[in-house]
Amino acid sequence: QAQLVQSGPEVKRTGTSVKVSCKASGYTFSTYGVAWVRQAPGQGLEWLGWISNYKDQTKYAENMQGRITMTRDKATTTAYMELESLTSDDTAVYSCARVVHDVLTASYYFDVWGQGTLVTVSS
Amino acid sequence: DIQMTQSPSYLSASIGDKVTITCRASQSITTYVNWYQQKPGKAPRPLIYVASVLQSGVPARFSGSGSGTHFTLTITGLQPEDFATYFCQHSSSTLTFGGGTKVDLK
Repeated sequence: QAQLVQSGPEVKRTGTSVKVSCKASGYTFSTYGVAWVRQAPGQGLEWLGWISNYKDQTKYAENMQGRITMTRDKATTTAYMELESLTSDDTAVYSCARVVHDVLTASYYFDVWGQGTLVTVSS
Repeated sequence: DIQMTQSPSYLSASIGDKVTITCRASQSITTYVNWYQQKPGKAPRPLIYVASVLQSGVPARFSGSGSGTHFTLTITGLQPEDFATYFCQHSSSTLTFGGGTKVDLK
């Protein structure tokens, strides 16, 4: 069945960057996009952006623009999210999710999720 | 980005109750809304898309409605397995989430 497996926990210093990977298996990677979401301790879900399967187009949340980069490697069926200039506010669990595009309704939803990667930022 | 505002953030209910959660968009988004259920330590589960269409396998006690800027998720006859946190999501272009509503046992 479809599965997303993420890289392990990270501890980073303020001002540095982090790159999280998301390995897809059990489905045709090239036919789905991948989104990234984070959840700070005790908080809700924050959508960070997504990378489409169509020409690898990206769409980032406004508050992440300029600091985040999403890429995908079709050869290894892996998606990546890199976040720069980290602050303590970036401490959260980062998750990737498969993006389903419902052609009939022209809408999107997330149906398969990675297990989450804890990123801790400290000074 | 379109902002999604959920209310209430916390809701206390009993088994068998009818529960309604509201989500408001910062501008009209027609019916581009998804609803998810999340339990502690688990990934969110998709429940509803385009405001009112149930995902496969979701019990009929869940229903969604609304259009424009005002949307609701209703659980009719709350079951023990329904105690969880629920999120709405804009489902076109920017895929932003609402803040969540935790449904707890009264």
